[in-house]
Amino acid sequence: DIQMTQSPSTLSASVGDRVTITCRTSQSVNSWLAWYQQKPGIAPKLLIYKASYLETGVPSRFSGSGSATEFTLTISSLQPDDFATYYCQQYNNYSGTFGQGTKVEIK
Amino acid sequence: QVQVQESGPGLVKPSQTLSLTCSVSGFSIGSGDYYWAWIRHHPGEGLDWIGYISYRGRTYYNPSLKSRVSISIDTSKNQVSLNLRSVTAADTAVYYCARPGRLGELSLTIWGQGTLVTVSS
Repeated sequence: DIQMTQSPSTLSASVGDRVTITCRTSQSVNSWLAWYQQKPGIAPKLLIYKASYLETGVPSRFSGSGSATEFTLTISSLQPDDFATYYCQQYNNYSGTFGQGTKVEIK
Repeated sequence: QVQVQESGPGLVKPSQTLSLTCSVSGFSIGSGDYYWAWIRHHPGEGLDWIGYISYRGRTYYNPSLKSRVSISIDTSKNQVSLNLRSVTAADTAVYYCARPGRLGELSLTIWGQGTLVTVSS
């Protein structure tokens, strides 16, 4: 099984801040990694697929990078609507493990 | 516009089988080689991948659930089903059905609203 390590678990930031979340996998997943945003009581929303591809309709302040075992989600300028929990998910070789999540809170 | 909707009992007794249905509208399941996924979200915790099924019925399961789970597809009803046997309180969660937005992808674009299943006597 591929293990996921997502950090930090909680992040306090202000509107306008640049925010970075990291996801590490226990073995290479090539570029088969996605990032999701989830708000309470609502299904997750896909932001980034294949490590760095922006999903249609997602603001360009979101970006993803990385390959193999280390990946990053960056929000270039945090907006009020961005306070939420973010998850990475690897989907290499028909598996689908999620990271533990990062809650982005208002500072 | 493709939409998915989960349905099933909101309360299941311990040791029984949890059975959920995902009804698909706006897309014929049998018409394209998409994989369909079940995901769950435990209250106050993270997301848990349960498994995938292809339109041809090929399945891939989370190893931690593999002994108890089965996912099936019914193209005539345009539905995907989840069965989870021998449930315990640890299976209490919101269960989601989801599908990728692109062929060849497993990242999940289309999600249902989720259905809460509580395991309790």
